[in-house]
Amino acid sequence: GQNIDQPTEMTATEGAIVQINCTYQTSGFNGLFWYQQHAGEAPTFLSYNVLDGLEEKGRFSSFLSRSKGYSYLLLKELQMKDSASYLCAVPEDSGYALNFGKGTSLLVTP
Amino acid sequence: DADVTQTPRNRITKTGKRIMLECSQTKGHDRMYWYRQDPGLGLRLIYYSFDVKDINKGEISDGYSVSRQAQAKFSLSLESAIPNQTALYFCATSDGDRGGEKLFFGSGTQLSVL
Repeated sequence: GQNIDQPTEMTATEGAIVQINCTYQTSGFNGLFWYQQHAGEAPTFLSYNVLDGLEEKGRFSSFLSRSKGYSYLLLKELQMKDSASYLCAVPEDSGYALNFGKGTSLLVTP
Repeated sequence: DADVTQTPRNRITKTGKRIMLECSQTKGHDRMYWYRQDPGLGLRLIYYSFDVKDINKGEISDGYSVSRQAQAKFSLSLESAIPNQTALYFCATSDGDRGGEKLFFGSGTQLSVL
């Protein structure tokens, strides 16, 4: 089985930087995904890391360390619209479907 | 038009009733999935299908069944609904290999079982 851990809630100020951490345990590794989900809406893809290091995509960056079973999502220049849940996900051990963490609810305040 | 369409968007039903949630996609993807989402529990996989003849159980398949009627259609049934099946249900598709590609989600179906 897998164990995916991420903080339940975080609060940050508009314009600031926030880092959302995710740790995972898996017998194999086929990459790590981050999704964004606004309240009442479907999750949407943010990033996919399969190699160690930082992947930058505009205001959002995602980091992976396979040896540590650790990833983080970095959000810069926070905007009010970034208030959402952020879901960390890894393929299940068979590699055929995604297992999701419970999500981190981010609140951006003025 | 949405690439992954779920119907209905909302449904209220009574305990013991049979319910079918439908999903259709125009993305041409072979892989389709059903997840449920509960507050505090995140997204959990119910069933998945890699083609019309392939059906696989996920983490929480008990009490559910699925049918892959065509490449584009994947329906989820609750044979006898119970209150703890009240949840937000998502259908998703992917074209990936071994889960390495991203999922595309429908807008969800909010199901309430009274």
